[in-house]
Amino acid sequence: GAVVSQHPSWVICKSGTSVKIECRSLDFQATTMFWYRQFPKQSLMLMATSNEGSKATYEQGVEKDKFLINHASLTLSTLTVTSAHPEDSSFYICSARVAGVKSTQYFGPGTRLLVL
Amino acid sequence: EDQVTQSPEALRLQEGESSSLNCSYTVSGLRGLFWYRQDPGKGPEFLFTLYSAGEEKEKERLKATLTKKESFLHITAPKPEDSATYLCAVQAPGSQGNLIFGKGTKLSVKP
Repeated sequence: GAVVSQHPSWVICKSGTSVKIECRSLDFQATTMFWYRQFPKQSLMLMATSNEGSKATYEQGVEKDKFLINHASLTLSTLTVTSAHPEDSSFYICSARVAGVKSTQYFGPGTRLLVL
Repeated sequence: EDQVTQSPEALRLQEGESSSLNCSYTVSGLRGLFWYRQDPGKGPEFLFTLYSAGEEKEKERLKATLTKKESFLHITAPKPEDSATYLCAVQAPGSQGNLIFGKGTKLSVKP
């Protein structure tokens, strides 16, 4: 149980285009989903937290107009990188958890984004 | 400020050579300490959650322990397939379950 999927697993796009990444919880309903970014040889950096049906909460320094997050259902959240630039190239990872104090975050396999 | 520090940054072991990874934390009101394993190019894989000092959990060759200031991940008789980066994270109070991650320990086990 507790499987989280991401799609696509990797994407290459041209500078200035937008890219959408999907995150799904396959066997549980996720009240909260998180989006992380990870640069090579570095740890995970939280970008934003989203609850189903609510606006996402962005971490300091993360542009909410550039990284659009939608959490339309209890099993799906999407991250759209708008007008992508080469500096947005990174490894994006989502995670999901159910409600409750003692609840575990389960991570997706990640999406590698390369902006040319 | 809530903080998580892992040591060492990298650890090289021979197959069968047991060792421990350290995770020191400062957080006001720990809600949980998590250990994850991350293989290159993949998302973190959940290993353990510890909630209170004195708690221990085991899974195959791995054993996690927790004190009020730190956690250890003990690896007994490691195998090459245990090679990965091990991440420690704490859950802060008053959050939506946000995790604060350490930078990880990259473990290499040579046959």
